[in-house]
Amino acid sequence: AQRVTQPEKLLSVFKGAPVELKCNYSYSGSPELFWYVQYSRQRLQLLLRHISRESIKGFTADLNKGETSFHLKKPFAQEEDSAMYYCALSGFYFNKFYFGSGTKLNVKP
Amino acid sequence: KAGVTQTPRYLIKTRGQQVTLSCSPISGHRSVSWYQQTPGQGLQFLFEYFSETQRNKGNFPGRFSGRQFSNSRSEMNVSTLELGDSALYLCASSWRTVGGYTFGSGTRLTVV
Repeated sequence: AQRVTQPEKLLSVFKGAPVELKCNYSYSGSPELFWYVQYSRQRLQLLLRHISRESIKGFTADLNKGETSFHLKKPFAQEEDSAMYYCALSGFYFNKFYFGSGTKLNVKP
Repeated sequence: KAGVTQTPRYLIKTRGQQVTLSCSPISGHRSVSWYQQTPGQGLQFLFEYFSETQRNKGNFPGRFSGRQFSNSRSEMNVSTLELGDSALYLCASSWRTVGGYTFGSGTRLTVV
């Protein structure tokens, strides 16, 4: 069965510290993995797609098929990174997203 | 370029009533999906439309239905509302056949 697991509900770090938000998935086919971010009182926004392999706002994520993980990382957290982060999985051919339960990132000054 | 527009933003309905929510995707986007967001269940997939055809459906009862028009605008309907249907309903659109959604701000439905 398809599933996305984000084990941490809340992650608190100090400004300038490294951040890693964990995401593990289970999927029988070839998945597409995404990270979405929701800042306070704003809509969900696409942050990263594994296929594009780009870095957005200093965040990167690498798909590890062996460990079925897609962890989101940033070397130096900023206060403006405080938000809710959702990992999502989609089938390669179909637009049906499975979202994780989300991790709230709190970056303290 | 206008984003995904959902109307209305807020809605209060009584148990047993029905409701219709509207979503206007970004111009040129043909894939529209709907999600329900609640504190307890998180984000759950309702259904996805592409070129007026429902391609995928989530695990929701038949009271939840949707449709897409030729201009890609989409509506979702919930009949015989229950208290548990109170949620934020999100619409998302994409120009691709898969992935890369842009989300709307949502319609917050409260059932009393």
